Amino acid sequence: QVQLAESGGGVVQPGGSLSLSCAASGFTFSAYGMHWVRQAPGKGLEWVAFIRNDGTNKYYGDSVKGRLTISRDNSKNTLYLQMNSLRAEDTAVYYCARGYKWFDPWGQGTLVTVSS
Amino acid sequence: AIQLTQSPSSLSASVGDRVTITCRASQGISTALAWYQQRPGKAPDLLIYDASSLESGVPSRFSGSGSGTDFTLTISSLQPEDFATYFCQQFNSFSWTFGQGTRVEIK
Repeated sequence: QVQLAESGGGVVQPGGSLSLSCAASGFTFSAYGMHWVRQAPGKGLEWVAFIRNDGTNKYYGDSVKGRLTISRDNSKNTLYLQMNSLRAEDTAVYYCARGYKWFDPWGQGTLVTVSS
Repeated sequence: AIQLTQSPSSLSASVGDRVTITCRASQGISTALAWYQQRPGKAPDLLIYDASSLESGVPSRFSGSGSGTDFTLTISSLQPEDFATYFCQQFNSFSWTFGQGTRVEIK
């Protein structure tokens, strides 16, 4: 069945960097756009970034532009999120999700904590 | 960016109740709206897309309606497994936003 599995979360100091991965299985990864969505503890959902199926176009939420970079490797069925210049307000569970207009399905999420 | 405002922020209901949640967009989005259910500690699940289309495998007690700026999610007869938080989400011009969520609690 369709599965998405995030990894790479952890604790990082303000100003630091972290790289997240999302391993996809059970579907033709190269045929689908992919998203990153985050959720701060006890808060709502915030769309972070989208990448087209072939990686040619990328879009970002205003709060992460210039600091977070989405990419993909279709030969490895893997989605990435490179996170630089991290701030306390980036603390959240980060989910990858398949789709274009909608998000379906979602991975289980990986927690990123930005703290000194 | 288009903003989505859900109401109420939370509600208490009993098993068997009919529940309606509203989502209002800051500008018209036609039917480019989806609804998700999120249980505690879990990732969200897609319930409704294109404002009124039921996702495969989702029980028929869930329904969605609306277009333009005003949308509703209705649960016709609340079941124990439906106690969760519900989010609306819109897509417009390569920007995606979510409502703030509605928590459905047991009365």
